[in-house]
Amino acid sequence: EVQLVESGGGLVQPGGSLRLSCAASGFTFNNCNMNWVRQAPGKGLEWVSFISGPSDIIYYADSVKGRFTISRDNGKNALYLQMNSLRDEDTAVYHCVKAHSGGWYLLDSWGQGTLVTVSS
Amino acid sequence: EIVLTQSPGTLSLSPGERATLSCRASQSVRSIYFAWYQQKRGQDPRLLIYGTSSRATGIPDRFSGSGSGTDFTLTISRLEPEDFAVYYCQQYGNTPPTFGQGTKVELK
Repeated sequence: EVQLVESGGGLVQPGGSLRLSCAASGFTFNNCNMNWVRQAPGKGLEWVSFISGPSDIIYYADSVKGRFTISRDNGKNALYLQMNSLRDEDTAVYHCVKAHSGGWYLLDSWGQGTLVTVSS
Repeated sequence: EIVLTQSPGTLSLSPGERATLSCRASQSVRSIYFAWYQQKRGQDPRLLIYGTSSRATGIPDRFSGSGSGTDFTLTISRLEPEDFAVYYCQQYGNTPPTFGQGTKVELK
């Protein structure tokens, strides 16, 4: 069974930083593309970032480009999101999501998410 | 980026009724790159349909998808109590992938 468990969320002041982690199990992690998707409280879904299995292809949403960095450690079955220069509008639940084989951004297994709150 | 607009915003129906949800794209989307997700209250989203009309693993056949170009539809043939949720469409063929704003299917 695929399991994705995020951690690292919390309350941070505007301009601050956080590093999110996602522990993956139940599948061959290094073969799978991964995404981060966020959902602001009471709002819809917003794609944040993509990383390929070997980490050779990385994409970001314009809203986070230059501030967020996605990475992975295939030896540890872990996905990360380093978030710098955080803004109020980054407040959301951040989900680690495994991509389906049918598309880089086709999202077939979701973690429960970790809440990031940016507020002074 | 491709903007997806879902309609209606809320659909009020009774169990056993048919639900028809629409999603319109701001530009043409290749059918193989269109999906639908279901999100129940307090739960993570779940992939329902991909490639416009293929059901994901474990999804019952009362869920079906159709469409092409800029207009796509999710149909739930007979609503079960567990189907009352928010549904999101998504295009995943272009970067960035984008979602519709969601349609809430609520109990009438």
